Amino acid sequence: GAVVSQHPSRVICKSGTSVKIECRSLDFQATTMFWYRQFPKKSLMLMATSNEGSKATYEQGVEKDKFLINHASLTLSTLTVTSAHPEDSSFYICSARERGDLEQYFGPGTRLTVT
Amino acid sequence: GQNIDQPTEMTATEGAIVQINCTYQTSGFNGLFWYQQHAGEAPTFLSYNVLDGLEEKGRFSSFLSRSKGYSYLLLKELQMKDSASYLCAVMDSNYQLIWGAGTKLIIKP
Repeated sequence: GAVVSQHPSRVICKSGTSVKIECRSLDFQATTMFWYRQFPKKSLMLMATSNEGSKATYEQGVEKDKFLINHASLTLSTLTVTSAHPEDSSFYICSARERGDLEQYFGPGTRLTVT
Repeated sequence: GQNIDQPTEMTATEGAIVQINCTYQTSGFNGLFWYQQHAGEAPTFLSYNVLDGLEEKGRFSSFLSRSKGYSYLLLKELQMKDSASYLCAVMDSNYQLIWGAGTKLIIKP
């Protein structure tokens, strides 16, 4: 089956620093990748959708300059949280979809803690 | 606006059957997904319904009625490992997933 990896699985950083999270599709070409954020006991909140080679489409209320998304290849997308603050602490999950396939395959998630 | 409703929490007994309901109002419909999510982990795919009726897959079944904007996930022969959150998600006309808040299922021995 389709496998999506995320790295790192957990990261702790200090306020004001930037953190990069990688999302890779291991055995398929991910023409579309999605980045979600999830607060404790809440559902997934879509942050942005990115198509390979194009700029990401951000959801309303998500700051483009704070959450930088790059989808440079068909197997890799990155999310960079810039100038992180404690309120950015959350569980970030990526998912990937192959062209013509409706199903999204999820990565294992990244737990970000900003101190 | 778009809306997905499902119960916040349900409790059931090991070995029993439980039905988790989901109602939706979305801009267009391209199918309904059920995902299972254990605490601290990413969601895993359970089922996909795009036509009316019941889809059975082992202990899990999913039902859809498009005219009623309604689906349910049926879990049989409950096991302790089934304790998790169950997320209902609808794919809208733009092929984006609209997520429900999830139903936390607690299984008691």
